[in-house]
Amino acid sequence: AQSVTQLGSHVSVSEGALVLLRCNYSSSVPPYLFWYVQYPNQGLQLLLKYTSAATLVKGINGFEAEFKKSETSFHLTKPSAHMSDAAEYFCAVSGGKGSNYKLTFGKGTLLTVNP
Amino acid sequence: GAVVSQHPSRVICKSGTSVKIECRSLDFQATTMFWYRQFPKQSLMLMATSNEGSKATYEQGVEKDKFLINHASLTLSTLTVTSAHPEDSSFYICSAGGGFSDTQYFGPGTRLTVL
Repeated sequence: AQSVTQLGSHVSVSEGALVLLRCNYSSSVPPYLFWYVQYPNQGLQLLLKYTSAATLVKGINGFEAEFKKSETSFHLTKPSAHMSDAAEYFCAVSGGKGSNYKLTFGKGTLLTVNP
Repeated sequence: GAVVSQHPSRVICKSGTSVKIECRSLDFQATTMFWYRQFPKQSLMLMATSNEGSKATYEQGVEKDKFLINHASLTLSTLTVTSAHPEDSSFYICSAGGGFSDTQYFGPGTRLTVL
C-alpha cells in the first residue's frame, strides 16, 4: 500500500524567492514518485518523476526534486519563483508495474506567487 | 509526445440523462487508462482502471452500473455517466499509460454540470 503526505496545503512566496513544496511518502515496495502541476480548470501536467535512477531529478520549468529514501521524502524545489508558477501541485506515488501503475495522490499544495 | 485529449471539455445536462466522455491517447498506445473525479479544491479520486479489451476495475464505493467504462481500443476509453443527477456534477479527468510506460499522462478534464 502507498500513501502521500504533502505538508502545507498552501504555500506563498515572493517572485524570485525559493520554492519548496514538501512531500513524504509511504510505500511497501520501491516507489515510483511523481510531481504534477494543475492550473485552474485543466488536467495535470507532469513536472518530473523518480523511477529508481538518479536520486536528484530535474524536471520542466526549472523544477527539481530529490529522492531521499532515509527520510521517505521527495520535496520539490525551484530556485526562483515566477508568477507563472502559481498553481496547484500534486505529489503522487506508484508501486510500479505490480500495481498496474496506479497512482496515489497527496492532497495538493496551492502555490501563490506574490509580485 | 504523450498527449491525451478529452471530449467534451464541458457539458451541461438535465437530471436523468446520460453523458458520455471520451478519452484519447493521441500519439501513443495506452494499454491502461484511468478515470478520476475531482471535487473543488480537492485531490483526485481514482474511480476505475481500464485495460484495453477487458472489463474495468472499479474502486471501492464507485457504482459500476452508474459509471460505465469502455476501453475498446489502445487509444480510446469512454466514461458514461448514466441517469446523471446533480450530485454527479464534478470535474472528470482521464489519464493514459501502461505498456512500456511507468507514467500516467493526463487529459485536460471534463466539467460536468447536471441541472
